[in-house]
Amino acid sequence: NAGVMQNPRHLVRRRGQEARLRCSPMKGHSHVYWYRQLPEEGLKFMVYLQKENIIDESGMPKERFSAEFPKEGPSILRIQQVVRGDSAAYFCASSPDRDSYGYTFGSGTRLTVV
Amino acid sequence: SQQGEEDPQALSIQEGENATMNCSYKTSINNLQWYRQNSGRGLVHLILIRSNEREKHSGRLRVTLDTSKKSSSLLITASRAADTASYFCATDHYGNNRLAFGKGNQVVVIP
Repeated sequence: NAGVMQNPRHLVRRRGQEARLRCSPMKGHSHVYWYRQLPEEGLKFMVYLQKENIIDESGMPKERFSAEFPKEGPSILRIQQVVRGDSAAYFCASSPDRDSYGYTFGSGTRLTVV
Repeated sequence: SQQGEEDPQALSIQEGENATMNCSYKTSINNLQWYRQNSGRGLVHLILIRSNEREKHSGRLRVTLDTSKKSSSLLITASRAADTASYFCATDHYGNNRLAFGKGNQVVVIP
């Protein structure tokens, strides 16, 4: 079992470009969570998805950010028209069910906006 | 805020000593979890304690939970250089769909 796989590990984008972050959950996990970590900060919840459904996106900025978890393939966090303030580490976690007893985190994608 | 808040923020100790860090929260929880993060890496789940539990052990880790004071502590005994990392507490609150993380404790174990 390869664990939660995130790619790319590092992503550099110029202001105004789009960033796509991918997360493949652990085998058998159908619940995916995205968190953002700013330097010297803890993780901030962004969105919780199950296959083909967004369950809770209360932590997502209203504009430019979107997430999906299609029936086939990885979960995607998409940031349009990136700005310098989007620079952060983005972590994905997966679990087999709603209860948080079994969160497994990926190694994260570090986004740098130049 | 429902987020856990760790105290102290930074801790530097000699190898072999014990390291203790605390976490407080504001509203009722379903469970509380501690994670470790090495520099530039993802989070590793260390231990989970449910709201009806008071103490839990895992290897050199000991976690306590006091729901009346809305606080938890993580004790690392006989610390090793490899324990150098940031430690986060995260709370699972009833009715929420996510974990709320504190800002973390930076622990440095000096060989």
